[in-house]
Amino acid sequence: KQEVTQIPAALSVPEGENLVLNCSFTDSAIYNLQWFRQDPGKGLTSLLLIQSSQREQTSGRLNASLDKSSGRSTLYIAASQPGDSATYLCAVSEGSQGNLIFGKGTKLSVKP
Amino acid sequence: DVKVTQSSRYLVKRTGEKVFLECVQDMDHENMFWYRQDPGLGLRLIYFSYDVKMKEKGDIPEGYSVSREKKERFSLILESASTNQTSMYLCASRSQGGGGSEQYFGPGTRLTVT
Repeated sequence: KQEVTQIPAALSVPEGENLVLNCSFTDSAIYNLQWFRQDPGKGLTSLLLIQSSQREQTSGRLNASLDKSSGRSTLYIAASQPGDSATYLCAVSEGSQGNLIFGKGTKLSVKP
Repeated sequence: DVKVTQSSRYLVKRTGEKVFLECVQDMDHENMFWYRQDPGLGLRLIYFSYDVKMKEKGDIPEGYSVSREKKERFSLILESASTNQTSMYLCASRSQGGGGSEQYFGPGTRLTVT
């Protein structure tokens, strides 16, 4: 059964730092991988979707990479800001129906 | 912009009540999903639907049922609410693209069963 792990569970950095969030999955037969952001008490906001055939996707200060063979993805955040403080969730889809299997998230705190 | 709305942000119900959680999307998406989110357990799939009147069980369907009579609306039903169903419920939708497409989430309903 697919398992998704995110390390670390929590991360605190000073404003302006570049940082990397990690996601690993146990079965490399994924359809795609999606990164989300969740603010406290709110729903999920989609950040980036990487298809299984892709190696990376970029949106503004965010860059996500995918290495299917090793079962890993990273989310790179450049020049972090206090507004980036949130929980970041990684999720993989194993089929065309789109069911997502989620990691438990990394809670990021960016200090001014 | 894709918009997924949920009928209530906060809901308090009593044990044994029948509870309806409604979700509506405005982008003509084929697939819709219901998840629950609990501290330490993360998000888990309850049910999903890939077409009107079609439904599939997710990982934790026990105690729940769903209804999809119209494409834009997907309802989650707690037949007899119990305290262990106190949770954050999140609805999502996506188009049925061949290469996979993004899943969009609603704001969530925080349900408390007393």
